[in-house]
Amino acid sequence: AQTVTQSQPEMSVQEAETVTLSCTYDTSESDYYLFWYKQPPSRQMILVIRQEAYKQQNATENRFSVNFQKAAKSFSLKISDSQLGDAAMYFCAYRSANSWGKLQFGAGTQVVVTP
Amino acid sequence: IAGITQAPTSQILAAGRRMTLRCTQDMRHNAMYWYRQDLGLGLRLIHYSNTAGTTGKGEVPDGYSVSRANTDDFPLTLASAVPSQTSVYFCASSDRAGGPYGYTFGSGTRLTVV
Repeated sequence: AQTVTQSQPEMSVQEAETVTLSCTYDTSESDYYLFWYKQPPSRQMILVIRQEAYKQQNATENRFSVNFQKAAKSFSLKISDSQLGDAAMYFCAYRSANSWGKLQFGAGTQVVVTP
Repeated sequence: IAGITQAPTSQILAAGRRMTLRCTQDMRHNAMYWYRQDLGLGLRLIHYSNTAGTTGKGEVPDGYSVSRANTDDFPLTLASAVPSQTSVYFCASSDRAGGPYGYTFGSGTRLTVV
């Protein structure tokens, strides 16, 4: 069974600065997908970024980028130029590429943005 | 607006009572899921349905049941609620059961069992 570990319960960052959230996962599969979701106080789950394991190039979405290290089974999220609206819980998630793969989530990292 | 509707938004329930959380999607997605969110544990899969007419057990299925009579609806039933079922429940859907797709989530139901 796969597991997803987020070792940072909370991270604090000042506005305009950069913060990196860590995520590691354990799997014996070679083909899978990784995701970062954002959950603001509204409770809505918002997909931030997605990475296919077969792609070596790291995914980027505006101020959000990932550092995907397949051999190390690491998938960190970097938030650049942090904004107050980035304050939220962030979840790392894994999904197998097989036909019935389900999203498996880490415990989450709370990001606090200070002015 | 296309998406997932969950009801109720929140509920306080007496222990031992039966409760059905409703979930409806209008995107014609094949796969649907129920998760519970608990602090420090993230989201854990309760039950899933890869397509209408089929269901399966997730990581934490005990005390819960689901049905998938049609594509759009995926209700979650607590037959006899217990305090450990106090949680935030999310319904989600995906166009297909597999593939590189993320899920679309509902807004969640906060359930408190007293």
